[in-house]
Amino acid sequence: DGGITQSPKYLFRKEGQNVTLSCEQNLNHDAMYWYRQDPGQGLRLIYYSQIVNDFQKGDIAEGYSVSREKKESFPLTVTSAQKNPTAFYLCASRVGQGINTGELFFGEGSRLTVL
Amino acid sequence: GNSVTQMEGPVTLSEEAFLTINCTYTATGYPSLFWYVQYPGEGLQLLLKATKADDKGSNKGFEATYRKETTSFHLEKGSVQVSDSAVYFCALSDRKDDKIIFGKGTRLHILP
Repeated sequence: DGGITQSPKYLFRKEGQNVTLSCEQNLNHDAMYWYRQDPGQGLRLIYYSQIVNDFQKGDIAEGYSVSREKKESFPLTVTSAQKNPTAFYLCASRVGQGINTGELFFGEGSRLTVL
Repeated sequence: GNSVTQMEGPVTLSEEAFLTINCTYTATGYPSLFWYVQYPGEGLQLLLKATKADDKGSNKGFEATYRKETTSFHLEKGSVQVSDSAVYFCALSDRKDDKIIFGKGTRLHILP
């Protein structure tokens, strides 16, 4: 089945450690997105990528980094510089470079807890 | 910049009640508008969409009309069910820069 796979589903880390969240899609979508979901805050855009080897900062990019070396993969690294990293992270993709219908397909999310 | 504002929840209704969840937006161009739904323990999924003014999106008994004059995209359903209990997000897609922006979400509880 086609879809978006995020891993791990749950992750714990100690303060000061970097952690990388995986996002893989087999939908042949061009664009991929990372959002952070916090209670009462909705979804906030961290980074997005419209094509391979290119990505743009979203509204809350500080303390995060991404790469887009392959079309199907868009990993997110939460660095030690991120002041409040405990959150639910959602990856999404959509079809069509230059054809922005806006319809996103989401993974099931990764919940990161910093101890 | 662009933004989406939706009514705060939680919203609690009895089964078969009429539902309205308000959503308004600000945008410099002509965005596409969406409602996404997140059922407990799941990721988000598209509920309905409208890509231009006066379009009506509909799905699963839910409807929303793109009103350019009032910059609104309110979600409605005539008779809600317990299975509609979820968090609903209004979203906007800007054709210029591919950013997709979400509101803060409205949690809906339907009582049997």
